[in-house]
Amino acid sequence: EAGVAQSPRYKIIEKRQSVAFWCNPISGHATLYWYQQILGQGPKLLIQFQNNGVVDDSQLPKDRFSAERLKGVDSTLKIQPAKLEDSAVYLCASSLRRAWGNTIYFGEGSWLTVV
Amino acid sequence: AQTVTQSQPEMSVQEAETVTLSCTYDTSENNYYLFWYKQPPSRQMILVIRQEAYKQQNATENRFSVNFQKAAKSFSLKISDSQLGDTAMYFCASHSGTYKYIFGTGTRLKVLA
Repeated sequence: EAGVAQSPRYKIIEKRQSVAFWCNPISGHATLYWYQQILGQGPKLLIQFQNNGVVDDSQLPKDRFSAERLKGVDSTLKIQPAKLEDSAVYLCASSLRRAWGNTIYFGEGSWLTVV
Repeated sequence: AQTVTQSQPEMSVQEAETVTLSCTYDTSENNYYLFWYKQPPSRQMILVIRQEAYKQQNATENRFSVNFQKAAKSFSLKISDSQLGDTAMYFCASHSGTYKYIFGTGTRLKVLA
């Protein structure tokens, strides 16, 4: 079974530029998550989708971050314009459904450096 | 609000020895799940072990076991017979009725040869 795929793995951009990350979850997984992991910290949920609908985006900085999950499968996370403090690993994860105690499966992450 | 606290930023253990990683949490929910995830250097995070709060019996997965103290809101991870491949960041996490996972700040474990 293929895992959660993410691309690009690494990206370096200048501040005020834009960047987009792509995620393909495990086949059949209805719930998709984007997490931000700053060095030395635990993952912080940015947005959670159930199929193609948003169920939680309370911690997403909506003035610069956007995400979509068209057709309830792949997802894209965009940052525009980027700030230095956006340097982090962006983790995509998926789970079979939005249920209590569900195990979530992570991708390898997209490492962003903003200079 | 849910919180998860890991008070040990770094730990080390000799190969074949036993180590315990600490985690405390706070939640207003009556039922919830607790997890330990492992994140090896530059590799993806994977589930190590999970515990359902309404089960009193501590979860065990091969060399990994937990000590779940519900009243104290403590959830520690014990790794027995430590191996070099156990070197990683370990994150404690909780999951409750809001369907939101809350992660701690992690403990960096280094297994020494």
